[in-house]
Amino acid sequence: EAQVTQNPRYLITVTGKKLTVTCSQNMNHEYMSWYRQDPGLGLRQIYYSMNVEVTDKGDVPEGYKVSRKEKRNFPLILESPSPNQTSLYFCASRSLGYNEQFFGPGTRLTVL
Amino acid sequence: TQLLEQSPQFLSIQEGENLTVYCNSSSVFSSLQWYRQEPGEGPVLLVTVVTGGEVKKLKRLTFQFGDARKDSSLHITAAQPGDTGLYLCAGAHGTASKLTFGTGTRLQVTL
Repeated sequence: EAQVTQNPRYLITVTGKKLTVTCSQNMNHEYMSWYRQDPGLGLRQIYYSMNVEVTDKGDVPEGYKVSRKEKRNFPLILESPSPNQTSLYFCASRSLGYNEQFFGPGTRLTVL
Repeated sequence: TQLLEQSPQFLSIQEGENLTVYCNSSSVFSSLQWYRQEPGEGPVLLVTVVTGGEVKKLKRLTFQFGDARKDSSLHITAAQPGDTGLYLCAGAHGTASKLTFGTGTRLQVTL
């Protein structure tokens, strides 16, 4: 089954404790992206990647890091999480040249 | 960041009613997409419109892209409880390497 998977689905952590949210897709998509979703603000792009070893900042990259060492994986790293990073995070992927993005199921992160 | 404003923000209607959701921007987009998101899931693409003035129909849903490609609307005829969800518009520029999402419209359809 073609899909985007994220882990973990839920995470409660404390300020300053480094964490990684994994994202993997099995559709051989070149493009992958991370979004955060907050009430009244819609989805805001954090980082995106057009291909392996190619990453770029989205609208709200501060406090986040990403890497794209393999085509299928695009982990999101929070080196020192803060409470304002409490949010619902989505990973998405698509094939370049096509409009449709496929989203993962989301990761709900709470930073205390 | 080019913002996309959606209205209304919330909409609660009864089964069988019609409704329209609007997506507006001051920016011109090369294409515009509509997604529906259900609780606990990621957004799922409903439609993409690319030509100014374009109208697309998906069963009881009608999507229109404004002539100037700055705005769009989603009209649902005879809403059903299964239409309940969060509707998001998203505009793309150029090669669509980046999507700008709207603020969302949360629709609830009751029996």
